[in-house]
Amino acid sequence: AQSVTQLGSHVSVSEGALVLLRCNYSSSVPPYLFWYVQYPNQGLQLLLKYTSAATLVKGINGFEAEFKKSETSFHLTKPSAHMSDAAEYFCALSGGYQKVTFGTGTKLQVIP
Amino acid sequence: DARVTQTPRHKVTEMGQEVTMRCQPILGHNTVFWYRQTMMQGLELLAYFRNRAPLDDSGMPKDRFSAEMPDATLATLKIQPSEPRDSAVYFCASGPSGTDLYGYTFGSGTRLTVV
Repeated sequence: AQSVTQLGSHVSVSEGALVLLRCNYSSSVPPYLFWYVQYPNQGLQLLLKYTSAATLVKGINGFEAEFKKSETSFHLTKPSAHMSDAAEYFCALSGGYQKVTFGTGTKLQVIP
Repeated sequence: DARVTQTPRHKVTEMGQEVTMRCQPILGHNTVFWYRQTMMQGLELLAYFRNRAPLDDSGMPKDRFSAEMPDATLATLKIQPSEPRDSAVYFCASGPSGTDLYGYTFGSGTRLTVV
């Protein structure tokens, strides 16, 4: 069985501050991990993915995530938040069979 | 950019009516998924297909929902009869072989309201 837990359904940061969105996973097989972003009234867009190569993964819009096996975590970070980063972010896990399990999402609010 | 196209974008219908949602996956993608998103349940996988064959539809209420891929360029999700609890945003997503590795591309969704 596989699962994804996103800590914090809502996160608020000031513009220019560090963004940290937390994701922990559980998987009985080596996981592939993803972060998706959803802007209002849009579908989900792939932000970045970990597929067992480098543990630090860089994605679009300045985001990056680090895979830490010992902590079963895949937290998403961005050094400096921008107003356009306000969206909902989903962590996702694939353990095979082309089925992906999504977390419950974290809504990021950026305060001017 | 290649995109997944969903129609209609919005649908308002009366309880008991049939609803059909359509999805055009990205050309060459052999795996197609249907998800439902609500505030209460988040993202739920309803069904998915590989090479047009249904692989898993365990997330779908069988008595009223049906999903098909009549050809490689069209996936459909039907609800008959619709109920107010079916109100949600329905997303189609597609992926190439090895979707585990590459991730999905999502459409913009169909926002369904059943009154």
